[in-house]
Amino acid sequence: KAGVTQTPRYLIKTRGQQVTLSCSPISGHRSVSWYQQTPGQGLQFLFEYFSETQRNKGNFPGRFSGRQFSNSRSEMNVSTLELGDSALYLCASSLSGGPSYNEQFFGPGTRLTVL
Amino acid sequence: GENVEQHPSTLSVQEGDSAVIKCTYSDSASNYFPWYKQELGKRPQLIIDIRSNVGEKKDQRIAVTLNKTAKHFSLHITETQPEDSAVYFCAATGYSSASKIIFGSGTRLSIRP
Repeated sequence: KAGVTQTPRYLIKTRGQQVTLSCSPISGHRSVSWYQQTPGQGLQFLFEYFSETQRNKGNFPGRFSGRQFSNSRSEMNVSTLELGDSALYLCASSLSGGPSYNEQFFGPGTRLTVL
Repeated sequence: GENVEQHPSTLSVQEGDSAVIKCTYSDSASNYFPWYKQELGKRPQLIIDIRSNVGEKKDQRIAVTLNKTAKHFSLHITETQPEDSAVYFCAATGYSSASKIIFGSGTRLSIRP
């Protein structure tokens, strides 16, 4: 079974631009969560989608948004990029429930650099 | 708000010795505690987890203990090997599908030959 995939793997943007990241979960998985990973802050939860609905949200500004499609693929959008948005963005998929119900499988991440 | 504190941030142990990483959580509603291992340049992977109705869980050289009263949980790795070198993250979340998951800041474990 193919693992979680993320595209693109690397991205360079400038301040003020916007970016869209994509995540394809493991086949059959309906829950997709997004995380921001930075050296200083570790892994920070952004949001979780299940059946095309945002089920939970972390403490990030409204510039960070996401959506999930009927095939469970998910996209994350960051508008008006700031230097501090430079990070590795990871998505994780699980079968149905949230993190406490089923093991989460992480993708390889998208490394975003904001100049 | 909810918080998970993880200590130490870096840990170096001699190969064959034991390593212990400790986490403290603030949300008393938390009742599921997974541990993830992230090797350099790779994605995090679940290595062990524990639920609040259990005080200890073992899987070969890895064990996790939970003290709900003190809101502490710990990862124990015995007979450490070079392949144990990685960053380890603890996390805490509730048992509802709508619960947020909060990660600790990570521990970089190095195994000295």
